[in-house]
Amino acid sequence: DVKVTQSSRYLVKRTGEKVFLECVQDMDHENMFWYRQDPGLGLRLIYFSYDVKMKEKGDIPEGYSVSREKKERFSLILESASTNQTSMYLCASSFGDRGRVFSGNTIYFGEGSWLTVV
Amino acid sequence: RKEVEQDPGPFNVPEGATVAFNCTYSNSASQSFFWYRQDCRKEPKLLMSVYSSGNEDGRFTAQLNRASQYISLLIRDSKLSDSATYLCAVNMRNFNKFYFGSGTKLNVKP
Repeated sequence: DVKVTQSSRYLVKRTGEKVFLECVQDMDHENMFWYRQDPGLGLRLIYFSYDVKMKEKGDIPEGYSVSREKKERFSLILESASTNQTSMYLCASSFGDRGRVFSGNTIYFGEGSWLTVV
Repeated sequence: RKEVEQDPGPFNVPEGATVAFNCTYSNSASQSFFWYRQDCRKEPKLLMSVYSSGNEDGRFTAQLNRASQYISLLIRDSKLSDSATYLCAVNMRNFNKFYFGSGTKLNVKP
């Protein structure tokens, strides 16, 4: 079974704090993603990475940064948390299709991190 | 315009009913299509991939219409346990990106 693990499930942070959300996957996936999910807005892509040390902005990168130093680990960083970043954060991973026969790769999610910024 | 759009529902149906959801996508370069199920306060989980020829998994049938750019999910003989939010997702191969709809909520009533 694919396992995507988000180490922090529930966090409460103060405005202005630096927040780290960690994600580890055990399937040797090339691609990793960070989404946030809010009622009525669905899943929105924050950042994704298709290789170690590579990253690309998603649709809502403002206020976030990411780090991918190892293939299995993708971290989301909120440099200075704000109340509008209160949300559920979902990490996900998938195979890339670089050098691989494309077979309709799917995306697998971690259990989510519920962040409240007060 | 959003990449993927879904009717948010909720769809309220009795047990045993047949219910269908549609999802439209805007980018004709979309290559792969999926339906995910999400329970309240849980992560989305893959329900089924959607193949060009259509595919079935038990009570669930997924279809793709490339000409009209939509995918559909049909659930037959609805069970109480089918109550959840159903998300469609599309993937554009060259960009390794997945786009999700906002989800359609299904409530199956006794």
